[in-house]
Amino acid sequence: AQTVTQSQPEMSVQEAETVTLSCTYDTSENNYYLFWYKQPPSRQMILVIRQEAYKQQNATENRFSVNFQKAAKSFSLKISDSQLGDTAMYFCAFMKREYNFNKFYFGSGTKLNVKP
Amino acid sequence: DAGVIQSPRHEVTEMGQEVTLRCKPISGHDYLFWYRQTMMRGLELLIYFNNNVPIDDSGMPEDRFSAKMPNASFSTLKIQPSEPRDSAVYFCASSLDTQYFGPGTRLTVL
Repeated sequence: AQTVTQSQPEMSVQEAETVTLSCTYDTSENNYYLFWYKQPPSRQMILVIRQEAYKQQNATENRFSVNFQKAAKSFSLKISDSQLGDTAMYFCAFMKREYNFNKFYFGSGTKLNVKP
Repeated sequence: DAGVIQSPRHEVTEMGQEVTLRCKPISGHDYLFWYRQTMMRGLELLIYFNNNVPIDDSGMPEDRFSAKMPNASFSTLKIQPSEPRDSAVYFCASSLDTQYFGPGTRLTVL
């Protein structure tokens, strides 16, 4: 069973507009972490934002913010004022304790294309 | 901190040759991960270590692949013998509760 699901393989957005990337996950745990990573054409995997499940407040990093809906197990990423440099693959990831170890799960990614 | 360091950044080798990829994790991190990324299969976890001990190597594709972590500041991923289907980008990542990735090694096996 897929632990992290990104249902949008590819998306496009006009420069300066706002786009939301969706992510759902599956767990029965109460304590875990959620992440969004960006992978531009350079292939470097860059941490964009993280959210601890016990925190109700949605994490924000400049133009990037999340909508964390714990009951719905949803963790979407909103990019405001999209820039050409935001063109990248975006991966949603989830970490929980499993058998006393931190275990990470990644989604399959969403390819975002920002158009001029 | 310099972040996760990987070497080499690019490696081109011929089928049958031994390949060794190297990784230096972020100081203080107690987890280290090796991933492989291809267009066909996406991002795959190969193996991960906790406190230098391999915890889960179920993602290692076959016996040709081996990984070691002799100390907290160094890990290697070895492929022997290499095959063209091993061509991929190999990432090392380290973490406490958040993973940070190295720049990757692009491996091409001819």
